[in-house]
Amino acid sequence: EDKVVQSPLSLVVHEGDTVTLNCSYEVTNFRSLLWYKQEKKAPTFLFMLTSSGIEKKSGRLSSILDKKELFSILNITATQTGDSAVYLCALAWEYGNKLVFGAGTILRVKS
Amino acid sequence: NAGVMQNPRHLVRRRGQEARLRCSPMKGHSHVYWYRQLPEEGLKFMVYLQKENIIDESGMPKERFSAEFPKEGPSILRIQQVVRGDSAAYFCASSYQGQGAGYTFGSGTRLTVV
Repeated sequence: EDKVVQSPLSLVVHEGDTVTLNCSYEVTNFRSLLWYKQEKKAPTFLFMLTSSGIEKKSGRLSSILDKKELFSILNITATQTGDSAVYLCALAWEYGNKLVFGAGTILRVKS
Repeated sequence: NAGVMQNPRHLVRRRGQEARLRCSPMKGHSHVYWYRQLPEEGLKFMVYLQKENIIDESGMPKERFSAEFPKEGPSILRIQQVVRGDSAAYFCASSYQGQGAGYTFGSGTRLTVV
């Protein structure tokens, strides 16, 4: 089965810390890798990564894809309590339209 | 633009009953996807539909589950003769074209089977 593995499973940090979330995968024929943030409701889109080595940035969040080593990371700097959520990584296939998700990383930021 | 609307938000069914989950896509979106999220697991793809067509149902259980997206009205995910293992959050997403980055997710329906 196609696999997307996220680590760590959960993480507790203090406000102001920097965190790095990992997503590794075992397939190569995908179109893009996506990151979502899920609070108590709908997953909300963060980033789509298609090319290796190009960093995407949005405020305190950034992400990069390494297609050679088959992983992506999501960095959050100067964390805030509002960053507490489940962060999901997903692959969008080259053909077809389904997303394959990892199990997520639960991030809790303590004040 | 109200976004992707799912209802009900919470649904409780007894074992053996039927569950109907509804999803109204964003205005202008003609692609609908259903995902299931079990506790402490990621979202698992179930089915992808366009108006009046099932495009990919590779994630649907073979029995008791069906989905439709009629010409008029919301998409419906139907679960017949529910069992405790069906308890999960069911998310719907829609997109204008069939691309993962264009997905907008609804807030989900949490189904509890008692």
